[in-house]
Amino acid sequence: ELKVEQNPLFLSMQEGKNYTIYCNYSTTSDRLYWYRQDPGKSLESLFVLLSNGAVKQEGRLMASLDTKARLSTLHITAAVHDLSATYFCAVDTVQGAQKLVFGQGTRLTINP
Amino acid sequence: NAGVTQTPKFRVLKTGQSMTLLCAQDMNHEYMYWYRQDPGMGLRLIHYSVGEGTTAKGEVPDGYNVSRLKKQNFLLGLESAAPSQTSVYFCASSYGGFMNTEAFFGQGTRLTVV
Repeated sequence: ELKVEQNPLFLSMQEGKNYTIYCNYSTTSDRLYWYRQDPGKSLESLFVLLSNGAVKQEGRLMASLDTKARLSTLHITAAVHDLSATYFCAVDTVQGAQKLVFGQGTRLTINP
Repeated sequence: NAGVTQTPKFRVLKTGQSMTLLCAQDMNHEYMYWYRQDPGMGLRLIHYSVGEGTTAKGEVPDGYNVSRLKKQNFLLGLESAAPSQTSVYFCASSYGGFMNTEAFFGQGTRLTVV
């Protein structure tokens, strides 16, 4: 059974600082997704990572995938308040079926 | 662009009542999904469909039924609601197969069972 664990679950940081959210998963998969969710809102796709070594960047966020270590990271550079949200990683259980298993989510709060 | 639309957005049910949640997508996606979101547990897959007329069980299917009579619609039914089904329900859709795209989510339905 595929399990996905995020670390940390809660993160409070100051604007301008850097930090990393970790996503570990328990079985082989080469498809990993990062989503953002604002309070009371839907999930917004951030990154799609499809192979070992994949790295994608959008603004102050950068995501990477190491399939051998079964680890993905979401790195935040010089955080700003607008990045406050809950971030989820999700992993495909069966290639092609997109039966996503989600991590618990990381609630990120960025303070001025 | 409507994307994925869920109806209703909020609902309060009494224990034992039934209801149907409707999901509609206008992106011509083959795959559709129903998830529930509970605090501290991320999203868990209830049922999914890989095409019109097909459905399959996900991680937490008990107490729910689904139907996919039309490609653009995916219905989630609760036959006899229980307080444990209080949750936020999200529908999602994707191209599926080996298309390298993500799933798109609806805005959610907040269901309370009293």
